[in-house]
Amino acid sequence: DQQVKQNSPSLSVQEGRISILNCDYTNSMFDYFLWYKKYPAEGPTFLISISSIKDKNEDGRFTVFLNKSAKHLSLHIVPSQPGDSAVYFCAASLYGGSQGNLIFGKGTKLSVKP
Amino acid sequence: NAGVTQTPKFRILKIGQSMTLQCTQDMNHNYMYWYRQDPGMGLKLIYYSVGAGITDKGEVPNGYNVSRSTTEDFPLRLELAAPSQTSVYFCASSYWDRPYEQYFGPGTRLTVT
Repeated sequence: DQQVKQNSPSLSVQEGRISILNCDYTNSMFDYFLWYKKYPAEGPTFLISISSIKDKNEDGRFTVFLNKSAKHLSLHIVPSQPGDSAVYFCAASLYGGSQGNLIFGKGTKLSVKP
Repeated sequence: NAGVTQTPKFRILKIGQSMTLQCTQDMNHNYMYWYRQDPGMGLKLIYYSVGAGITDKGEVPNGYNVSRSTTEDFPLRLELAAPSQTSVYFCASSYWDRPYEQYFGPGTRLTVT
């Protein structure tokens, strides 16, 4: 039983366009959400986070939206660049992320075509 | 500043053998973690530590042991390796006040045959 679900294994977009990666969760106790990016043969790197008290957080080209009633979050990348091609993991945490126990989704592989 | 380093990069074990995966960080992070990632799956937390001498179980601790005698090192011990432990193992660390922002090592690919 997956608590964090990324239902799209892959996504392909054209350079310069918007990439939208989606994530759903089932545990209503989750109160902190994160996105990590992973290149092949490397460990994941932290990208952006959002607390459940917010519905949007922005960092440069990356914006995360949270819809608590739908238990859904999304990551928007605008504009997409070829260097954004990677696997993106959604993760969730309890207690405001204070314990670092992250529950990860399976990931979505993003391909940005020049 | 090397960040989080893991050794070895690759290892093949026979069923029943034991080994220790090494993890070291040079960022003076209090918190350290071990995850495994099976093919096509997300990362799952095996064990974590909030400081030297303190460890706790994560989601999938069975078949593993850890110790944390220093701030820098967090080795993961596999006893009696089984094919189900074939996976990529990632070590990570974080500051105590931002535990969700974790810095990962490059991983160890382990095959048990």
